[in-house]
Amino acid sequence: EAGVTQSPTHLIKTRGQQATLRCSPISGHTSVYWYQQALGLGLQFLLWYDEGEERNRGNFPPRFSGRQFPNYSSELNVNALELEDSALYLCASSLGSGDQPQHFGDGTRLSIL
Amino acid sequence: GDSVTQMEGPVTLSEEAFLTINCTYTATGYPSLFWYVQYPGEGLQLLLKATKADDKGSNKGFEATYRKETTSFHLEKGSVQVSDSAVYFCALREAGRRALTFGSGTRLQVQP
Repeated sequence: EAGVTQSPTHLIKTRGQQATLRCSPISGHTSVYWYQQALGLGLQFLLWYDEGEERNRGNFPPRFSGRQFPNYSSELNVNALELEDSALYLCASSLGSGDQPQHFGDGTRLSIL
Repeated sequence: GDSVTQMEGPVTLSEEAFLTINCTYTATGYPSLFWYVQYPGEGLQLLLKATKADDKGSNKGFEATYRKETTSFHLEKGSVQVSDSAVYFCALREAGRRALTFGSGTRLQVQP
């Protein structure tokens, strides 16, 4: 069974640009989650999508947004990039119902120059 | 709000030593508790979980018991191996919610 896959592995951008990160969940999983792992800040919850809808977001500004497609894959978009957006962005997926564990991908490392 | 506190690392042990990584939490309800492990260059892998008080999660020789009275979920292993070297994250999820709240992580280094 294929795990959660994320692309690209690395992404280098400059301040003010936009970044798009992609995630494919485990087959059969309908929920997708995004987390940011930044140096000194630890792992923080960003967004949760389920059945194509945004269900919850963490304490991040609106320039962090995303969407979930009919095949349950997801994109995370970060607009007007700032230096402090440099981080590892982790995507996780789970079954849609109940108390299901989240399974993580290997992440996309976003570097802002 | 919810929070998870882990012991500061790095923790350096010799192979076959006993491991304890402390984790305490603050939550308003009755959360589920998790330990995740992150190997270098990889994402997080679920190591074990417990969903109610006195539950013991176990996997690959690691164990943790959900202690409601002390709000703790300490990770233990009787005999560590070099291959256990990684960063370990304690996390909680409040009932009815999906977002995980993570601790800051504890780096474990096991020397041969």
